[in-house]
Amino acid sequence: KNEVEQSPQNLTAQEEEFITINCSYSVGISALHWLQQHPGGGIVSLFMLSSGKKKHGRLIATINIQEKHSSLHITASHPRDSAVYICAVMPAYFGGRNQFYFGTGTSLTVIP
Amino acid sequence: DGGITQSPKYLFRKEGQNVTLSCEQNLNHDAMYWYRQDPGQGLRLIYYSQIVNDFQKGDIAEGYSVSREKKESFPLTVTSAQKNPTAFYLCASSSPLGQGAYGYTFGSGTRLTVV
Repeated sequence: KNEVEQSPQNLTAQEEEFITINCSYSVGISALHWLQQHPGGGIVSLFMLSSGKKKHGRLIATINIQEKHSSLHITASHPRDSAVYICAVMPAYFGGRNQFYFGTGTSLTVIP
Repeated sequence: DGGITQSPKYLFRKEGQNVTLSCEQNLNHDAMYWYRQDPGQGLRLIYYSQIVNDFQKGDIAEGYSVSREKKESFPLTVTSAQKNPTAFYLCASSSPLGQGAYGYTFGSGTRLTVV
């Protein structure tokens, strides 16, 4: 049983397309991260959300706590956006570990 | 700038050898974590430490060992007892206890290949 589910698993888009990646989770959370992992493995945190919406450049992240759902949007996608995008949630209560649970990632390829 | 440094980025070892992965942070974070990533799976917790000189097993601790002698450092040793050591390893740290996900920072990872 995976506490975090992402969709789609793989996504291919044409440059300039609007992209949406979804994350659903099954536990009450204190926060959610969207991470970006490029080929070669390095991971960068894009957003941390506990409510509402955040925007950074062409990236927008939203979260609906009641529905246990978050989305990551990329506007005017570009080939350099090609990466794996990972959703990570921190349960509200987990015996003090402050441990994240991770989705399996969405592999995005943007074609010129 | 503050952050987490993992080194090296790529590491190759022969089967049967122990190998130690480095993780250093200058964020003054109390808690540090090690995660493992396998193809098609989400990252899973290996070990975590909430304070110096103390650490706890995570979900997949078998075949691994850690130490936390300094606040800044949380090295992970992959021992020969780990049956499938080839994976991507990610270190993370978080802000003082009780603040949950806020101030949670990830390293850039080490890809270990055992041949």
